[in-house]
Amino acid sequence: NAGVTQTPKFQVLKTGQSMTLQCAQDMNHEYMSWYRQDPGMGLRLIHYSVGAGITDQGEVPNGYNVSRSTTEDFPLRLLSAAPSQTSVYFCASSRTLDNEQFFGPGTRLTVL
Amino acid sequence: QQQVKQSPQSLIVQKGGISIINCAYENTAFDYFPWYQQFPGKGPALLIAIRPDVSEKKEGRFTISFNKSAKQFSLHIMDSQPGDSATYFCAAADEKLTFGTGTRLTIIP
Repeated sequence: NAGVTQTPKFQVLKTGQSMTLQCAQDMNHEYMSWYRQDPGMGLRLIHYSVGAGITDQGEVPNGYNVSRSTTEDFPLRLLSAAPSQTSVYFCASSRTLDNEQFFGPGTRLTVL
Repeated sequence: QQQVKQSPQSLIVQKGGISIINCAYENTAFDYFPWYQQFPGKGPALLIAIRPDVSEKKEGRFTISFNKSAKQFSLHIMDSQPGDSATYFCAAADEKLTFGTGTRLTIIP
C-alpha cells in the first residue's frame, strides 16, 4: 500500500494563479481531509469529506474548493492564490473520524 | 475561537525525565481525543488516543490522562529519550477533528 500520496511536494505560485493539490489514498478510507499547517497555529482543517460525493467546510475554507468524485481522490483547488495561503498542506484519510488518521507527506506552497 | 488549547508551546526535558503536555477543551460533544507526533519534514502520525469513558490509557512509555469533569487531558512521556524530540499535537473530534497548536519537545542528554 502506498498509503496517502500528495503531489506536488513543493510549489511556488504568483498571486492570482490557480492550482490543484492532489491527494490520493489506497486504503479504501471513507473519511478524507485537508489541513494547513502554519507556525504557532497547529493544523487547521480546510475541508473534509465523509465519503464520495460528500464534502463539508472546516475551520478555514475561504479561497479553497474541494470535490470527492471517487473514494480514492480528494483534490484541493486554490482559486486565486494569495500570499496568506503560503503554508504546508497536509491531506489525511481514515476509516472513520474516530480512527487513526493517516497523513500524507505534505505540500509546501509559497505564494509570491 | 480556539476549541482545543494546548500548552506549553515548547518544552525541554532531560533524558530520562517525564515530559508532560496539557490540553483543554470546551465542546462537550467531543468524544475522541488522539495525540499525534510529528517529526520535521514529515506528516503527523498517531501516537495514542483515548475515549471519554476511560480516565487513563497507557501504551509503553506514553500515557494519556483524561479528566472529563475538568475538560482536560494530558500526555505523559516517561523516561523521555532524544528520539522523542518532535512536535506533539493533541486533538479532539466531534463530526470533525480539531487540533491544538502543538508543543515542540526537545530531550537533552
